[in-house]
Amino acid sequence: GAVVSQHPSRVICKSGTSVKIECRSLDFQATTMFWYRQFPKQSLMLMATSNEGSKATYEQGVEKDKFLINHASLTLSTLTVTSAHPEDSSFYICSYRKGQGPGETQYFGPGTRLLVL
Amino acid sequence: GESVGLHLPTLSVQEGDNSIINCAYSNSASDYFIWYKQESGKGPQFIIDIRSNMDKRQGQRVTVLLNKTVKHLSLQIAATQPGDSAVYFCAEGLNQGGKLIFGQGTELSVKP
Repeated sequence: GAVVSQHPSRVICKSGTSVKIECRSLDFQATTMFWYRQFPKQSLMLMATSNEGSKATYEQGVEKDKFLINHASLTLSTLTVTSAHPEDSSFYICSYRKGQGPGETQYFGPGTRLLVL
Repeated sequence: GESVGLHLPTLSVQEGDNSIINCAYSNSASDYFIWYKQESGKGPQFIIDIRSNMDKRQGQRVTVLLNKTVKHLSLQIAATQPGDSAVYFCAEGLNQGGKLIFGQGTELSVKP
């Protein structure tokens, strides 16, 4: 397997503020990682794919200027929710892609619960 | 956005029984499929995967079956235990790009 950490695990903020979520791969280096959002009782929805050293690719309907992704290194990626609003309250989860082709899979972080008041 | 009236399918089984969780996937070109287990408030945990050129794969107490004809995937859990209670998601992926598309999930409840 692989170990992925996220920080913070839980954050409460006021509407209009920005929140940064960190995602770290602890035991391997990954060039590709993903950010997901999950609302209660729903599945994971892919927000964006990022490759180290290049701009993130956002899924349709995800605002790139609102959800800023910085894939700073092979072991660290950050998601910044800018000018957060109550509707951005959700569970944000990152994952790292390990391997390529037949042996690849994704390993997920523990998630960050964001509550915007 | 807001989703009204969404409920996860649920499966309730007795401890010790076998569980079968089903999933219909969407893309006939998907190269691999993964089952994840998600406990409340946690990230998804990898259980088992299967490549598109296989129809069955076994792990410890789990078996995944793939039927490409009808685009159907199933996860069988043998001798289900209370610790197996969680939401189970199937995910399909393409080798190129590595994106995963998740199914809606099934909530498994194990009664002692």
